[in-house]
Amino acid sequence: DAGVIQSPRHEVTEMGQEVTLRCKPISGHNSLFWYRQTMMRGLELLIYFNNNVPIDDSGMPEDRFSAKMPNASFSTLKIQPSEPRDSAVYFCASSFEGLNTEAFFGQGTRLTVV
Amino acid sequence: GESVGLHLPTLSVQEGDNSIINCAYSNSASDYFIWYKQESGKGPQFIIDIRSNMDKRQGQRVTVLLNKTVKHLSLQIAATQPGDSAVYFCAESSGYSTLTFGKGTMLLVSP
Repeated sequence: DAGVIQSPRHEVTEMGQEVTLRCKPISGHNSLFWYRQTMMRGLELLIYFNNNVPIDDSGMPEDRFSAKMPNASFSTLKIQPSEPRDSAVYFCASSFEGLNTEAFFGQGTRLTVV
Repeated sequence: GESVGLHLPTLSVQEGDNSIINCAYSNSASDYFIWYKQESGKGPQFIIDIRSNMDKRQGQRVTVLLNKTVKHLSLQIAATQPGDSAVYFCAESSGYSTLTFGKGTMLLVSP
């Protein structure tokens, strides 16, 4: 298996632009997580899907952030409009049977908003 | 890659030494614990996990110890190698919560 696949690996955008991050979880996994990593705050959970349904989005910073999972093999995290403080590394992770199990992480998307 | 370790606690060891990385957790209801390794520019990678019905678990060159009384978790790496240099995260969860990650510890291994 290729593991969790994220794209793009790097994204540089101007403030105010829309940004879309993409994730393909490991086949057969039914839980998907979006995390954000910064030096100041470490790894923060943004949203958790189980069987394509958002279960916990309490970590989504504000309405500018939205996430979708239209099917079991694809998820997007969208920021509109983007701001410089959104600059971070965004990770997608997936697991089999949700909580209390190992989550497999992708390589991340490094987002820079200028 | 991103220098996630600039403000992290750092453990410096010599190649061949044993390393011990510690983690304190706060939620007494947590019953699942996991250690991840993150190399520069990469995503966290699973090392070893342990459930609350155990106090010790061993893998290849790694051992995790869990002390539920004082809510402490440790990762022991035997015969540390330069390739072990990375940031190490502990994470905890309960049956009703997602993984909560610690701030991480940077391990630096000198040849």
